[in-house]
Amino acid sequence: EMQLVESGGGLVQPGGSLRLSCVASGFTFSDYWMYWVRQAPGEGLVCVSLINFDAVITKYADSVKGRFTVSRDNAKNTLYLQMNSLRAEDTAIYYCAKSIAVAGGDLDVWGQGTMVTVSS
Amino acid sequence: EIVLTQSPATLSLSPGERATLTCRASQSVSRHLGWYQQKPGQPPRLLIYDASNRAPGIPARFSGSGSGTDFTLTISSLEPEDFAVYYCQQRTVWPRTFGQGTKVEIK
Repeated sequence: EMQLVESGGGLVQPGGSLRLSCVASGFTFSDYWMYWVRQAPGEGLVCVSLINFDAVITKYADSVKGRFTVSRDNAKNTLYLQMNSLRAEDTAIYYCAKSIAVAGGDLDVWGQGTMVTVSS
Repeated sequence: EIVLTQSPATLSLSPGERATLTCRASQSVSRHLGWYQQKPGQPPRLLIYDASNRAPGIPARFSGSGSGTDFTLTISSLEPEDFAVYYCQQRTVWPRTFGQGTKVEIK
């Protein structure tokens, strides 16, 4: 069974940092593009970042560019999101998700999410 | 940025009825559109990829159609577990964008 498990969320003060992790199992992690998607409380879904299979391609939403960094360790089947200079508006559930095809595509496997709360 | 507009915002129907949800893109996304279902406290679940292909394990009562700027998700006969929020998402250009969602609620 394909599975993604996020961790690393929590309460952080404005201006602080957090590192999210997402451990993959049940599929060949190194073959797939991976994504971080967030959802603020009571709100819709926003795609925050993507990374291709060998980390050559990374993209970010304008709202997090320059503050967030996506990376992956294919040997550890793990996706990361380093979040710096956090703001109140970054408060959300952060999901990692996998593309349905090795060349990209829609998101067929999602983790349960990890909650990030930015507040003083 | 491509804006996806979903309608209606809320759909009130009874079990057994047909649900028709629409998603309109601000510019062509070809067939690069997916549909997701989300229930409270759960992550989204992929229902339809590439506009009309059912994801593995998705019941046949879910179907998708459309291309370019206009797309439809149809649930032929609502089951109790289908009452949820539905999102469309385009993957033609970055940033990938989602619609604002359609809530299908029990009438």
